[in-house]
Amino acid sequence: DTAVSQTPKYLVTQMGNDKSIKCEQNLGHDTMYWYKQDSKKFLKIMFSYNNKELIINETVPNRFSPKSPDKAHLNLHINSLELGDSAVYFCASSRRQGGPMGSGTDTQYFGPGTRLTVL
Amino acid sequence: AQSVTQLDSHVSVSEGTPVLLRCNYSSSYSPSLFWYVQHPNKGLQLLLKYTSAATLVKGINGFEAEFKKSETSFHLTKPSAHMSDAAEYFCVVRFTGNQFYFGTGTSLTVIP
Repeated sequence: DTAVSQTPKYLVTQMGNDKSIKCEQNLGHDTMYWYKQDSKKFLKIMFSYNNKELIINETVPNRFSPKSPDKAHLNLHINSLELGDSAVYFCASSRRQGGPMGSGTDTQYFGPGTRLTVL
Repeated sequence: AQSVTQLDSHVSVSEGTPVLLRCNYSSSYSPSLFWYVQHPNKGLQLLLKYTSAATLVKGINGFEAEFKKSETSFHLTKPSAHMSDAAEYFCVVRFTGNQFYFGTGTSLTVIP
């Protein structure tokens, strides 16, 4: 009955490879996110998807591409992995309230994280 | 500009003494406010959230936070620290829409 799940939990790969991280939520939320946490614990938003539309895309290299087959899934694909991509990646989900500029107190629920190590 | 600031990157307290983790935000809107905790090698767990119903919010594990609009603060407190409280704590602010802003985190050490 895990709310937000991610696979794999650990991922070790060589530079230049292409990899994917999967995320699934069973909370019925309509918005999902990907965050990158660096070695200093700083969390940076990468993407969010609402009803299959990308609504946030910070300055992330285009080697990273989110793919959402349905509202319950938001997968992260990474091409041509680089050493600097090593980090912990967290998936999260929430429910939008009150329309595009809603003022409801959405709560984000996080997955357990995927520790990516690029050698 | 909208921002969230955690004033202390590290806080160290003795077991049994009070905990204070500070968080300030900058916004012209009334935001939604959250505190999350991350234990070593774990994901983020919601401690508490401000819902605008009451300025003093009680969360899990004995933590609470007080929203002070005049000071634009949402500091996290606990009367008596426990060894299991050692973790990284994140203040998170949602200003409008679905944009959540994370503070840089405060690492709490509890000394036996």
